[in-house]
Amino acid sequence: DTEVTQTPKHLVMGMTNKKSLKCEQHMGHRAMYWYKQKAKKPPELMFVYSYEKLSINESVPSRFSPECPNSSLLNLHLHALQPEDSALYLCASSQGRTGATGELFFGEGSRLTVL
Amino acid sequence: EDKVVQSPLSLVVHEGDTVTLNCSYEVTNFRSLLWYKQEKKAPTFLFMLTSSGIEKKSGRLSSILDKKELFSILNITATQTGDSAVYLCAVEGDFGNEKLTFGTGTRLTIIP
Repeated sequence: DTEVTQTPKHLVMGMTNKKSLKCEQHMGHRAMYWYKQKAKKPPELMFVYSYEKLSINESVPSRFSPECPNSSLLNLHLHALQPEDSALYLCASSQGRTGATGELFFGEGSRLTVL
Repeated sequence: EDKVVQSPLSLVVHEGDTVTLNCSYEVTNFRSLLWYKQEKKAPTFLFMLTSSGIEKKSGRLSSILDKKELFSILNITATQTGDSAVYLCAVEGDFGNEKLTFGTGTRLTIIP
């Protein structure tokens, strides 16, 4: 099983809503990532979890709140988002044995639209 | 700040042509350079390069890294319409800089 599964695939929310994006992997990877990708732009790193601990937060606004309940699951909680937060949110995982990224396995992404 | 620059930004060629995509980089404590292919959704992994001058090859795709000149190229021979995609280059640092920084990508279109 070499898949990273993300749900939902599409999400439309208002600026006052609270929602969550979910990501799951069963490859035994110990590092998991959230990336944000706007149209025709490269993925931008948001958060890195290594061995279930937050190791990198790329100065992401607090309206995005990551959570890693266990080594297979990664959530991104969303609250009071702005229309400019509309983007494709990609989850990824890697073996992360030595803290290095190495090959990232990406999920299909959750396309978020904020009205 | 780490920086990855890809060229050209876009490329349109006919099926059967050979293409070369370029990636130059600046990164603190270089560890590796990776190439990804992105069609409609998630990027898919192509190559990871850590050593200079050693070509990685997979079918019609090949890539090489020059750590002295800080660049990499991705070659695709005998292109097919299925090769149409955005090709992303990413570099990873080390020793406290363990994260991938992506370039803006090269959008490749293959005309039948």
